[in-house]
Amino acid sequence: QSALTQPASVSGSPGQSITISCTGTSSDVGSYNLVSWYQQHPGKAPKLVIYEGSKRPSGVSNRFSGSKSGNTASLTISGLQAEDEAAYYCCSYAGSTTWVFGGGTKLTVL
Amino acid sequence: QLQLQESGPGLVKPSETLSLTCTVSAGSISSSSYYWAWIRQPPGKGLEWIGSIYYSGNTYYNPSLKSRVTVSVDTSKNQFSLNLSSVTAADTAVYYCARHPTVMVAFDIWGQGTLVIVSA
Repeated sequence: QSALTQPASVSGSPGQSITISCTGTSSDVGSYNLVSWYQQHPGKAPKLVIYEGSKRPSGVSNRFSGSKSGNTASLTISGLQAEDEAAYYCCSYAGSTTWVFGGGTKLTVL
Repeated sequence: QLQLQESGPGLVKPSETLSLTCTVSAGSISSSSYYWAWIRQPPGKGLEWIGSIYYSGNTYYNPSLKSRVTVSVDTSKNQFSLNLSSVTAADTAVYYCARHPTVMVAFDIWGQGTLVIVSA
């Protein structure tokens, strides 16, 4: 069970859209549409922003959206705002009631 | 609003056992609708799922940690616990407890986290 692969960093200007990728294998991301995404501000606990690939929890802005193609899941944030600056982690169900996280992506709002 | 709170020693010696407890408030750990998990984050690094438990006691562990991990539940105290044996400096991390609903494959509520340092 290896960690999912995410870019170390992405950046964008306010109002723009960015996409963060999360690449796994046919044993995790590719087998299940069960990727979740978490936002983590410095010194804070992670917060769920997308679950089961593309669903948003109550209270999460519709500027956050998720998708999947093959072994790669993606998180898109549209209309970038300063408050979106944070680290983002993907997580996939990996079968047999186990989960695997990505290494995290630092989003900088320019 | 359900809350989770981690507690336990902030410093553990190498080769000893790390023990943490997560207290669930404003909700019951005995609900059949949820699993309860431990997740950790080494300083400056990513998240790692450690293991999960159902109120009935069924446990599920990260294969890479399975030989050293025990997760248990105490429904009378509305708590669940983590024991990680034979710790090394690599186990230094912020340890989070979290909830994952049976109908939602995700960790929807997290504790604030507690830093555990492994050092002599």
